[in-house]
Amino acid sequence: NAGVTQTPKFQVLKTGQSMTLQCAQDMNHEYMSWYRQDPGMGLRLIHYSVGAGITDQGEVPNGYNVSRSTTEDFPLRLLSAAPSQTSVYFCASSRLAGSRNEQFFGPGTRLTVL
Amino acid sequence: DAKTTQPPSMDCAEGRAANLPCNHSTISGNEYVYWYRQIHSQGPQYIIHGLKNNETNEMASLIITEDRKSSTLILPHATLRDTAVYYCIVRAYSGGGADGLTFGKGTHLIIQP
Repeated sequence: NAGVTQTPKFQVLKTGQSMTLQCAQDMNHEYMSWYRQDPGMGLRLIHYSVGAGITDQGEVPNGYNVSRSTTEDFPLRLLSAAPSQTSVYFCASSRLAGSRNEQFFGPGTRLTVL
Repeated sequence: DAKTTQPPSMDCAEGRAANLPCNHSTISGNEYVYWYRQIHSQGPQYIIHGLKNNETNEMASLIITEDRKSSTLILPHATLRDTAVYYCIVRAYSGGGADGLTFGKGTHLIIQP
């Protein structure tokens, strides 16, 4: 299993540009989520999904859109990039059932908005 | 989810046991204690979790006090590769819920050679 994969690893955008961060998992997990991590900070939840066709907002959703058309994929779209969105973005997935609720994280996408 | 308090940083000598404390005095009866770590620039990695009994796996041991208001993560024989930020997270099991993990700033554990 590849686990959770993210592309691209690095990206530089200009203010106002749009882009999509890709996330995929091959573990048949129902739950997927996006976090951002700013320097010296813990991770903050952006959006999450409990299954195909179902998404919801996390702590910091503004400026981001998500969709979940398949179990495997959960792309994050930046509609009009702003310097405040410069961050490292992590995608995670897990099963919904069971107390373990272990979340598996991808390697991250490092985004710089100029 | 209950709030957790961790020291910002700790040092430990290589080969010794690393004991990382966490306070969670407002923990509820249905909340679990989870530990994750984040090695520099990588995604967080699950370590262990528990409800009220002590737990051990191939990576670490988790000791939860009887009143469940604090816990300690123990890495029995720390190596340089264990240098990372360690997050203590309290979360209710919610099989249908998905409010994510609440990460604080964690403890930066530095293993000294």
